Amino acid sequence: AQSVTQPDARVTVSEGASLQLRCKYSYSGTPYLFWYVQYPRQGLQLLLKYYSGDPVVQGVNGFEAEFIKSNSSFHLRKASVHWSDSAVYFCAVSAQWNNNAPRFGAGTKLSVKP
Amino acid sequence: NAGVIQTPRHKVTGKGQEATLWCEPISGHSAVFWYRQTIVQGLEFLTYFRNQAPIDDSGMPKERFSAQMPNQSHSTLKIQSTQPQDSAVYLCASSLLSGNTLYFGEGSRLIVV
Repeated sequence: AQSVTQPDARVTVSEGASLQLRCKYSYSGTPYLFWYVQYPRQGLQLLLKYYSGDPVVQGVNGFEAEFIKSNSSFHLRKASVHWSDSAVYFCAVSAQWNNNAPRFGAGTKLSVKP
Repeated sequence: NAGVIQTPRHKVTGKGQEATLWCEPISGHSAVFWYRQTIVQGLEFLTYFRNQAPIDDSGMPKERFSAQMPNQSHSTLKIQSTQPQDSAVYLCASSLLSGNTLYFGEGSRLIVV
């Protein structure tokens, strides 16, 4: 079965700084990869997803992620964070076949200092 | 279009009692997923239905936990003889097809005292 590691439980950055949240997955086949965000007191929402093709995928609110197969990674990036980006970010992986549920990492709590 | 609806939003139950959580997926979605969220474990997969059939329950604790999807409009997660370690936020999600984007409900927070 597939699994995800998000090595940073908490990340704090200043507003306007660049951001990278790390995600490494374990799966022997070709994965579907996702980043979800959970704002306080809300459900998880999709930020972006990778299915195939261009390894750099763009998401909402200026987020992007790059699939690096050789490194089994799918790190999330943003050039300049805003205080409203403070949230918990989850990386997820699923297999590219039908009977499979995504597995999530433990999440990274992002705090943006004004 | 209404999102995924979970009820109750909060439930406090005594140790040893039963708790049932309900989920109404988005109309037309064929896949329903249950996850458990805790500070320590993060987001754990519990079980998954497609077209109401159970597909994967590998994340379900073997005792006390059960899930059903009696019709396409709702699923239930039942915990018998609840224990303090069952305290968590239980999240339900649905998607058009498995492997696609998941749409999550706001969760049911269960507290076992």
